Amino acid sequence: AQTVTQSQPEMSVQEAETVTLSCTYDTSESDYYLFWYKQPPSRQMILVIRQEAYKQQNATENRFSVNFQKAAKSFSLKISDSQLGDAAMYFCAYRSPAIGAGGTSYGKLTFGQGTILTVHP
Amino acid sequence: KAGVTQTPRYLIKTRGQQVTLSCSPISGHRSVSWYQQTPGQGLQFLFEYFSETQRNKGNFPGRFSGRQFSNSRSEMNVSTLELGDSALYLCASSLASRDTQYFGPGTRLTVL
Repeated sequence: AQTVTQSQPEMSVQEAETVTLSCTYDTSESDYYLFWYKQPPSRQMILVIRQEAYKQQNATENRFSVNFQKAAKSFSLKISDSQLGDAAMYFCAYRSPAIGAGGTSYGKLTFGQGTILTVHP
Repeated sequence: KAGVTQTPRYLIKTRGQQVTLSCSPISGHRSVSWYQQTPGQGLQFLFEYFSETQRNKGNFPGRFSGRQFSNSRSEMNVSTLELGDSALYLCASSLASRDTQYFGPGTRLTVL
């Protein structure tokens, strides 16, 4: 079974600074998807960024970018120019391809434990 | 396009009762997944439906069940509620099971 580990329960950053959240995962599959989701106090889970394992290029979305190291099974999220609105719980998630691995991981997301990000003004 | 909607947003029940939660996916999305979020266990997968068929089920007791209708709306039911069932229940939809999942605001269930 796949596992996702976020080793930083809490992180803090000053407004306008850069912060990196860590995520490692364990899998024997070669094709998969990785995600970062943000969950603010309102509890609505919001997609931040998505990475396909077969793509070597790191995904970017405005101020958010990832450092995807497939061999090391590492998927970190970098937030540049941090804003007060970035304060939230961030979850790293793994998803297997829909078909394969016995078919039991069809569409399912496996989440890490989350990292609480605090942004100081 | 409207996002994923979940009803009710908050629910208080007592032990032994049963509860039904509803999820309406984004228009055109055919896959719906359910997750339970608790402080102790984090986010755990409950089940996934695609075109009215359950495709995958997480490691939860049989008290947890679900279904999907022809319009892709989904319901989950928990029977004989226990205190440990208190959680935020999140629904997510995607175009197909392979695609990115978009989450609803969740239903906060409190069991007394």
